[in-house]
Amino acid sequence: ETGVTQSPTHLIKTRGQQVTLRCSSQSGHNTVSWYQQALGQGPQFIFQYYREEENGRGNFPPRFSGLQFPNYSSELNVNALELDDSALYLCASSMGGQGIDTQYFGPGTRLTVL
Amino acid sequence: SQQGEEDPQALSIQEGENATMNCSYKTSINNLQWYRQNSGRGLVHLILIRSNEREKHSGRLRVTLDTSKKSSSLLITASRAADTASYFCAGGAPHGGSQGNLIFGKGTKLSVKP
Repeated sequence: ETGVTQSPTHLIKTRGQQVTLRCSSQSGHNTVSWYQQALGQGPQFIFQYYREEENGRGNFPPRFSGLQFPNYSSELNVNALELDDSALYLCASSMGGQGIDTQYFGPGTRLTVL
Repeated sequence: SQQGEEDPQALSIQEGENATMNCSYKTSINNLQWYRQNSGRGLVHLILIRSNEREKHSGRLRVTLDTSKKSSSLLITASRAADTASYFCAGGAPHGGSQGNLIFGKGTKLSVKP
């Protein structure tokens, strides 16, 4: 198991609501990436945080936003939830400044939007 | 959008047999990584091969990379029932910042029967 933790494990929300997902990175890692994985699909890159700054973003609308804290943990916020936001949300931590190397994934948060 | 396409989408073999999964990708990459996912949980990193490498081994895993064909293969030898999982290839792609991001394919679902 990696040292990456995510909370909560499962979450049920209704359309239009807002949600915050949390991720604690592995000790010594300063970079957190977030991915969305719809059922039967591969993970899709949402964005990445490196030393508290957004450091790259995938093709997701602005209602997906994030934060990284001084201890390198991170939050993913999604506003105005839509049914299609139902997915497994994965965070991954890695060491920055070394190019794209191995990422260590947490167990994920399963979000269901009704 | 997905970077890679794994082939086959599903594979069913008997314990002890070898399993081969293929991956094709679209754009330039720094490296190609393979991950395993059990039942919609977090991803586990298996192996990373850099763009200047052609073959890499790790235990029962053998990965090849052909950058001219933009393809990779993962071979699992002497498979076990515990190898049953979904396997994803992911291209490590650079973007503007110091970190790149992983671009995943849709995965191959491997079932190993005892």
